[in-house]
Order: sequence, then structure tokens, then C-alpha cells
Amino acid sequence: QVQLVESGGGLVKPGGSLRLSCVASGFTFSDFYMTWVRQAPGKGLEWISYISTSGTVIYSAESVKGRFAISRDDAKSSLYLQMNSLRAEDTAVYYCARVAAGTGSWFLDYWGQGALVTVSS
Amino acid sequence: DIVMTQSPDSLAVSLGERATINCKSSQSVLYYSNSKNYLAWYQQKPGQPPKLLIYWASTRESGVPDRFSGSGSGTDFTLTISGLQAEDVAIYYCQQYYSTPYTFGRGTRLEIK
Repeated sequence: QVQLVESGGGLVKPGGSLRLSCVASGFTFSDFYMTWVRQAPGKGLEWISYISTSGTVIYSAESVKGRFAISRDDAKSSLYLQMNSLRAEDTAVYYCARVAAGTGSWFLDYWGQGALVTVSS
Repeated sequence: DIVMTQSPDSLAVSLGERATINCKSSQSVLYYSNSKNYLAWYQQKPGQPPKLLIYWASTRESGVPDRFSGSGSGTDFTLTISGLQAEDVAIYYCQQYYSTPYTFGRGTRLEIK
């Protein structure tokens, strides 16, 4: 069965950095686009970044552009999110999610349990 | 950016009754060349990640009960839950994937009356 397991969340001071990891299993990781979606406490969902197969295409939302960097290691079936210059408004649960297969299928068919990132002094 | 507006913000429905959740996009998410609406619905139960229910506006994800159905086209969409069950208590989100940034609605909280 498909599993996505995030790690690396925690408490960090404003201006600090954190790296999230997501290990995938149960499918051929290298065949799928992957994404990070975040959810601030009590709020809705925000799609913040995606990466194509082989990492050749990357998208980042304006809210994180220049501060967050998505990457992947297909040999380790792993997805990463390097977060720099963190702000209080980045406090959220960060979900790793798989983009469904198929042209134009930009919906998310599997999600991890999430990693909580708290930015506070 | 395409803005997704859901209504109502919350609703309470009796067990066994029908729940209807609406989602309106600020511009059409219908791609005319393939006649597909780039609209998905998710369910999020407390303390859990979202779960995909519906994609292409009306295609049910594998394993999703058939009491969940999606309809609509262009800018106006509906998620209908027929015969509400206790386990359907959740927040429901619509998402457009017609153009980046792919955006979600703010969610509709569904409770039992």
C-alpha cells in the first residue's frame, strides 16, 4: 500500500531554517510528481510546491518563492523541503502528497500524515 | 489566481439525509479541448490528512462510497452526500487544478444534526 511518512518538523525561531523529509513506499516513486501542501492551524490548504519526475520542473508558490526549495532523491524514494528565512506565518502542518498519474491530473491521490512546523521566538 | 468559494461554511444534516456542498470558481475550470472540468473534492477528518474523494468534477476515487457524488461544470460545482452517515463528519474542500497556483476552497464543515 502507498505510504508517505514526513519527518523533520519542530519549533524554530523566526529567520531560522528547517528541512522536512518525506519517505515514500508502496509505489515507484520516480514515476510520480510530488508536492508539499501546508495547512496553518485551523485554516485551509495551500499548495506550496511541486517537483516533476527527475526533478526537472519545479513550481513554488509566491508565498514561499526564494525561501523554500523542494527536491527529491529517487534512489531513496524521498522528497525534501528546505525551508529558510522562516516566518511566523509559515507555522503549519506540512503534508507530502503524490500527484495523480496522467496528463493534467493535478489532484493529490495520497497524502502523508503531516509534519508540524512552528515558527516562534 | 483562481479563487475557489465554498458555501456554506458549515452545515448540519440529519443522519440518512442529503448534504449538499457548493463550490464556485472565479473563472471557468473547464478545458474545452477535452471537455474536462479540472476540479477535485477532498474530505478531511479531525487529526487526519485530506483524502481524495472526487476528481474531474464527477469521477469517484476508488474505494469511495457511492453515496458521494460530484456534479457541475465551468464555474459551479456540487458535492452531494446521499444518506449521511456518522463517519462523514469532516471538512470538505474543493480544489481547482486548471492553472497554477492550484487553489483550494476554504472548506465546508459538515456535522450531524
